[in-house]
Amino acid sequence: DIVMTQSPDSLAVSLGERATINCKSSQSVLYSSNNRNYLAWYQQKPGQPPKLLIYWASTRESGVPDRFSGSGSGTDFTLTISSLQAEDVAVYYCHQYYSTPITFGQGTRLEIK
Amino acid sequence: QLQLEESGPGPVKPSETLSLTCTVSGGSITSSNHYWGWIRQTPGKGLEWIGNIHYSGSTYYNPSLRSRVTISVDTSKNQFSLKLSSVIAADTAVYFCARLIETGPGRGVTDPWGQGARVTVSS
Repeated sequence: DIVMTQSPDSLAVSLGERATINCKSSQSVLYSSNNRNYLAWYQQKPGQPPKLLIYWASTRESGVPDRFSGSGSGTDFTLTISSLQAEDVAVYYCHQYYSTPITFGQGTRLEIK
Repeated sequence: QLQLEESGPGPVKPSETLSLTCTVSGGSITSSNHYWGWIRQTPGKGLEWIGNIHYSGSTYYNPSLRSRVTISVDTSKNQFSLKLSSVIAADTAVYFCARLIETGPGRGVTDPWGQGARVTVSS
């Protein structure tokens, strides 16, 4: 199984400041034949299901604000929120769909400082 | 807009079978490039993939649960279902159904998700 490890477990950032969440996979999720990273990011607010933010490591889902961006390749990935808004308080998960069993990171809780 | 909704009978006793159904609306479950899956969430283990099914009947299960899981599809009702047998307290979780946009055998980008059904295993 590919183990996804996020850091930090929790993060407090001031409004308007940058938030950065890291995700490391235990093996590469880059498929060499198409040069795509099989990595997605989700946002989950209390009482709601996870919401897709980013797929293919850096492609923003339609309707997601452009302050959200994803980067990285191979085994190391980052989700960046360029200017934190109050509505961004949530738990964020990375997720690999490179191989089964598909797996998720443990989550990073983002709060306002 | 595609929507998914979980439904089920409520609490389950240990050793019994947990049964949930996901109803898909706003789209067809017979789309060739989609899987339909189940994922559960617990405070201790986080998000755990249970398994997927294609409308053709092909199934993919998490090896950790394979011996207890059955996922089936009913195209006439635009529904798919989960059965988890011999449940224990550790199977207490919020169970989500979801669509997976296929990117390879048995896997894909998971979106959207249902709202989730909280299932408690207790005597």
